[in-house]
Amino acid sequence: GAVVSQHPSWVICKSGTSVKIECRSLDFQATTMFWYRQFPKQSLMLMATSNEGSKATYEQGVEKDKFLINHASLTLSTLTVTSAHPEDSSFYICSARDGGTYNEQFFGPGTRLTVL
Amino acid sequence: SQQGEEDPQALSIQEGENATMNCSYKTSINNLQWYRQNSGRGLVHLILIRSNEREKHSGRLRVTLDTSKKSSSLLITASRAADTASYFCATRRGAGNMLTFGGGTRLMVKP
Repeated sequence: GAVVSQHPSWVICKSGTSVKIECRSLDFQATTMFWYRQFPKQSLMLMATSNEGSKATYEQGVEKDKFLINHASLTLSTLTVTSAHPEDSSFYICSARDGGTYNEQFFGPGTRLTVL
Repeated sequence: SQQGEEDPQALSIQEGENATMNCSYKTSINNLQWYRQNSGRGLVHLILIRSNEREKHSGRLRVTLDTSKKSSSLLITASRAADTASYFCATRRGAGNMLTFGGGTRLMVKP
């Protein structure tokens, strides 16, 4: 099946710093990528949808200036958490959709962000 | 708001017993999917059931779908300790056709 990777798998940073998380589709081209956030013992909440070469569409309540999404190529999307604060500590999961044969969403392994 | 809601939120059973989890949703769907997530890990796709299907099997998994009640159930038979995980149902919604997840059921299977 299609593989989606995320890097880093975990990161610890100081409050006020910015953190970049990468999401890559390894063996397919992803026309659309999705970013989810998951707090402990909760479900995945969609943050934003990004299409290659265009601006991301953010869900209600998600600050676009705080969570910068770049989808510059068909295999890479990045999420930058700017000026991170402890309340941004969460598990961030990306998902990529194969717009071709399967048109299914494939999920990355997630990135654990801890902001001190 | 989430498309799917699941119950129970948590379930604890003994190894060998069956585990049943339910999911309800609000709007029309093309298909409904179930995922498993081990603690702190990514999602594993378990099974997809289309709106014109009523039941589907995959190994020890049995999924049912009742579109009239807008509900689905996931049954895991002869559970094992390794089945301990959170289970989520997901449906597609919106113009972007993205997956929306239910609240999840945390299953613990005691050896």
